[in-house]
Amino acid sequence: EVQLVESGGGLVQPGRSLRLSCAASGFTFDDYAMHWVRQAPGKGLEWVSGISWNSGSIGYADSVKGRFTISRDNAKNSLYLQMNSLRAEDTALYYCAKANTYYYDSSGYYLDYWGQGTLVTVSS
Amino acid sequence: DIQMTQSPSSLSASVGDRVTITCRASQSISSYLNWYQQKPGKAPKLLIYAASSLQSGVPSRFSGSGSGTDFTLTISSLQPEDFATYYCQQSYSTRFTFGPGTKVDIK
Repeated sequence: EVQLVESGGGLVQPGRSLRLSCAASGFTFDDYAMHWVRQAPGKGLEWVSGISWNSGSIGYADSVKGRFTISRDNAKNSLYLQMNSLRAEDTALYYCAKANTYYYDSSGYYLDYWGQGTLVTVSS
Repeated sequence: DIQMTQSPSSLSASVGDRVTITCRASQSISSYLNWYQQKPGKAPKLLIYAASSLQSGVPSRFSGSGSGTDFTLTISSLQPEDFATYYCQQSYSTRFTFGPGTKVDIK
């Protein structure tokens, strides 16, 4: 059974940093691209970042580019999101999601498994 | 960036109703369109990929169609467990974008 378990969320002041983790199990982690998607309270889904199976290609939404860094450790079956210079508008539930492809930017990819999310609240 | 719109933004329907949700892309995305269902307090769930392919385990009352810029998600006979918010998502360009969602609630 595929499982994705996010952790690392919490309350943080504007301008500070936070690192999210996603522990994956039930599938061959290094065969698939992974993504982070967030959802602000009461709002819709926003793609944040994606990373290919070997970390060879990475992408970010404009809203987080230069502040967030996605990474993965295939030996530990783990995905990470380093979030720096956090802003109030980054407040959201952050989901880790598995893609059906090797490369995060493959046309036609879809997100077939999602974690339950970890809540990040940016407030003073 | 490719913009995704959905209509309606919400709808009220009864059990047994046929429900159709529309998703439109600001430019052609071929058939690179996915649909997700999200229930309150839960993670999104993949329903349809590549515009019309049913994800494994998803009931056959769900179907998708379309290509280019216009797409539809149809629920042939609405069931109590289908009351949720539905999102489309394009995977044509690397600026992956979701539609704003359509909330389906009970009439």
